[in-house]
Amino acid sequence: SQQGEEDPQALSIQEGENATMNCSYKTSINNLQWYRQNSGRGLVHLILIRSNEREKHSGRLRVTLDTSKKSSSLLITASRAADTASYFCATGDTGGFKTIFGAGTRLFVKA
Amino acid sequence: EPEVTQTPSHQVTQMGQEVILRCVPISNHLYFYWYRQILGQKVEFLVSFYNNEISEKSEIFDDQFSVERPDGSNFTLKIRSTKLEDSAMYFCASSEFGNQPQHFGDGTRLSIL
Repeated sequence: SQQGEEDPQALSIQEGENATMNCSYKTSINNLQWYRQNSGRGLVHLILIRSNEREKHSGRLRVTLDTSKKSSSLLITASRAADTASYFCATGDTGGFKTIFGAGTRLFVKA
Repeated sequence: EPEVTQTPSHQVTQMGQEVILRCVPISNHLYFYWYRQILGQKVEFLVSFYNNEISEKSEIFDDQFSVERPDGSNFTLKIRSTKLEDSAMYFCASSEFGNQPQHFGDGTRLSIL
């Protein structure tokens, strides 16, 4: 089954604008994580939100989690050209051994 | 800051040959993972490893794949008889505990000819 599907698939904004990416999943989760990937590089962990949390902040990042709708959103405020990357949500199962990534949102921030 | 290192960065292999991808996880981490990413597609979970044994594996991780932690620092992924469709980026990751942020290496690009 598919898990952690993001939308939009691609997003192009001007520097200074906010970027919102959404993620949906299908099964029960222990946590949901957001990662960033620059072209040709490994993934970098951004933020983890547990299933009993509703909102979390880290710098310019704000993540929400709605377990009743099985969805999450990542908001990047005051975007910068350096935020240009692909962003993936990933769900961790209750056992802690399996992490499933979504297809990702490609964000392009124009200077 | 400690990091996960992977070698080689690029591996070119003939179809049918065996290949070993190597990873050095962060030293105090206990959970280890392999993922693959076919060009332009999503990151796919292959296997997780904890306490010297496989904890979970995906349908992709068939009998052609194996993992090993031969010593206290290395974590390897072996593909016994490579196929064209094994061409992808392979990422190693580690975490201190389960359900914690994972730290990724920069990947090995595997090209099967």
